[in-house]
Amino acid sequence: DVKVTQSSRYLVKRTGEKVFLECVQDMDHENMFWYRQDPGLGLRLIYFSYDVKMKEKGDIPEGYSVSREKKERFSLILESASTNQTSMYLCASSSQRGEQFFGPGTRLTVL
Amino acid sequence: AQSVTQPDIHITVSEGASLELRCNYSYGATPYLFWYVQSPGQGLQLLLKYFSGDTLVQGIKGFEAEFKRSQSSFNLRKPSVHWSDAAEYFCAVGAGNTGFQKLVFGTGTRLLVSP
Repeated sequence: DVKVTQSSRYLVKRTGEKVFLECVQDMDHENMFWYRQDPGLGLRLIYFSYDVKMKEKGDIPEGYSVSREKKERFSLILESASTNQTSMYLCASSSQRGEQFFGPGTRLTVL
Repeated sequence: AQSVTQPDIHITVSEGASLELRCNYSYGATPYLFWYVQSPGQGLQLLLKYFSGDTLVQGIKGFEAEFKRSQSSFNLRKPSVHWSDAAEYFCAVGAGNTGFQKLVFGTGTRLLVSP
């Protein structure tokens, strides 16, 4: 079974802190994705990566950056956390066929 | 641009009754279509997918979906709902080239199951 793990299930940070969300997949997938999920808005794509060291902006990249130094790991970085970044963050990975497998999510609260 | 519409925000179904969740998409070419389910506090789990071929697709947990190109729809169905099916359901369409695919998600339908 494909497994996508995220470093934390719940995280509480203060405004202005630098926040790292880690995601690891064990299926040698080329593609990895970061979404945020908010009530009534569904899932919105923040960034994705189709290869090591490659990244592309999604629909809402402002305030975020990413890092992919190894194929299995994709990190989301909030350079200076703000309260409007309080959300559920979901990581996913996929093979070429496009079927995405999701991690359990990180619920981030920024105070 | 691709888009997905799930017109029902909430649906309540009695246990044992049939279920149909609606999904309409907008995409210029033949779409790749997916249904995911999310239990409270969890990530998304793939229920079923359509890439090509038979337009009636069987998935896990007794779910099925039918691709209707003429109606741009990919509705999810289950003949008899169980209390454990209460969750949020997301329809998604694959957008992009064959090398990788971004998914565009609908806003979800929350299913409530009454006794």
